[in-house]
Amino acid sequence: ETGVTQTPRHLVMGMTNKKSLKCEQHLGHNAMYWYKQSAKKPLELMFVYNFKEQTENNSVPSRFSPECPNSSHLFLHLHTLQPEDSALYLCASSQVGLAGFDEQFFGPGTRLTVL
Amino acid sequence: GQQLNQSPQSMFIQEGEDVSMNCTSSSIFNTWLWYKQEPGEGPVLLIALYKAGELTSNGRLTAQFGITRKDSFLNISASIPSDVGIYFCAGQMIGGTSYGKLTFGQGTILTVHP
Repeated sequence: ETGVTQTPRHLVMGMTNKKSLKCEQHLGHNAMYWYKQSAKKPLELMFVYNFKEQTENNSVPSRFSPECPNSSHLFLHLHTLQPEDSALYLCASSQVGLAGFDEQFFGPGTRLTVL
Repeated sequence: GQQLNQSPQSMFIQEGEDVSMNCTSSSIFNTWLWYKQEPGEGPVLLIALYKAGELTSNGRLTAQFGITRKDSFLNISASIPSDVGIYFCAGQMIGGTSYGKLTFGQGTILTVHP
């Protein structure tokens, strides 16, 4: 595997279900991100992890729970979601350093549908 | 919060035509980025701009970082069918608690007719 991978690619769940999205980066980066992409809206940053520590929670509802067990893996645990949470969830990683700009590499995303 | 206005929202052009899209912001950014997203994939970085006034090319793509640091444009010359996709601008602030945080535009959907 190369780059950033995400599983599953598609997920359909009911509002009472509990599921998890998984992201893995094979680039040796030290920062990982979750974004939400809804139709006709800009990508919305949800969470940022630097060196496994959460450094940003962009006012995301508690029904979304991130987990970063190591610098290569990132999870998004989902429970009691709402239909409006249906979207493409994108994971990204980057190498944060002293130079400033760090290119974020994106995974292919998980297409989530909440019924 | 920071917002980026990207225009146009969509474009339908003939192969061989040039394309221009732009982004404006209410806030200043240190870095402007342009991404392309194809169906079923995540966004891929096309061009990164680091300094106000900077003009950078990547093949048929040219992008500029506005002198006020509040805007950027992307031009695609001599479009081809594989240019189809959604193009996003993104602004990035460097430093402090905003480190690594990208603010994205709404995207421009490009369709190229052969």
